[in-house]
Amino acid sequence: GAVVSQHPSRVICKSGTSVKIECRSLDFQATTMFWYRQFPKQSLMLMATSNEGSKATYEQGVEKDKFLINHASLTLSTLTVTSAHPEDSSFYICSARSGLPEKLFFGSGTQLSVL
Amino acid sequence: GENVEQHPSTLSVQEGDSAVIKCTYSDSASNYFPWYKQELGKGPQLIIDIRSNVGEKKDQRIAVTLNKTAKHFSLHITETQPEDSAVYFCAALNSGYALNFGKGTSLLVTP
Repeated sequence: GAVVSQHPSRVICKSGTSVKIECRSLDFQATTMFWYRQFPKQSLMLMATSNEGSKATYEQGVEKDKFLINHASLTLSTLTVTSAHPEDSSFYICSARSGLPEKLFFGSGTQLSVL
Repeated sequence: GENVEQHPSTLSVQEGDSAVIKCTYSDSASNYFPWYKQELGKGPQLIIDIRSNVGEKKDQRIAVTLNKTAKHFSLHITETQPEDSAVYFCAALNSGYALNFGKGTSLLVTP
């Protein structure tokens, strides 16, 4: 299957700092990427849909000013958690939509721990 | 919006037995149903998918069936092995082309 690379895999930061997570589609162009959040032993919750060259669409309850999404190219989307707090600690996963036939592939996830 | 229900939440089978996980969805417009396997600390891995124009798809020990009328689809794993132990998620593609996931099934295959 297609490869989606996500970095970093793990990050520990102090409360109040910002953290950037990168998501790259390595062998295909992805006009649309998605960002999910996952709490321990729970399912994936869609946070936002990122379209190349346009503003991201956020799900209800997700603060767009806190979770900044940039999709500047067909192979790269970034999620920046601004002014992180302990409650932002979670597993963040990106996914990218490949071309025909359309499939969605996931990155390996980023475990964020805010101290 | 789309609502995906998944059962069971946990499943324990002996090595060599079959495992079946079932999901239902609510949006009749959904037309793509992938299954993902997630190991601890990793992202979900696509293992098989099915589109609404077919009723069954098989890939070696894994098969998926879809009943559009009843709006349910199932994952079947035959001849299970310990390395099949993981959390499995079903999903349905919504009208916004994002996936709605079931709550997951923790599968344990004991030797």
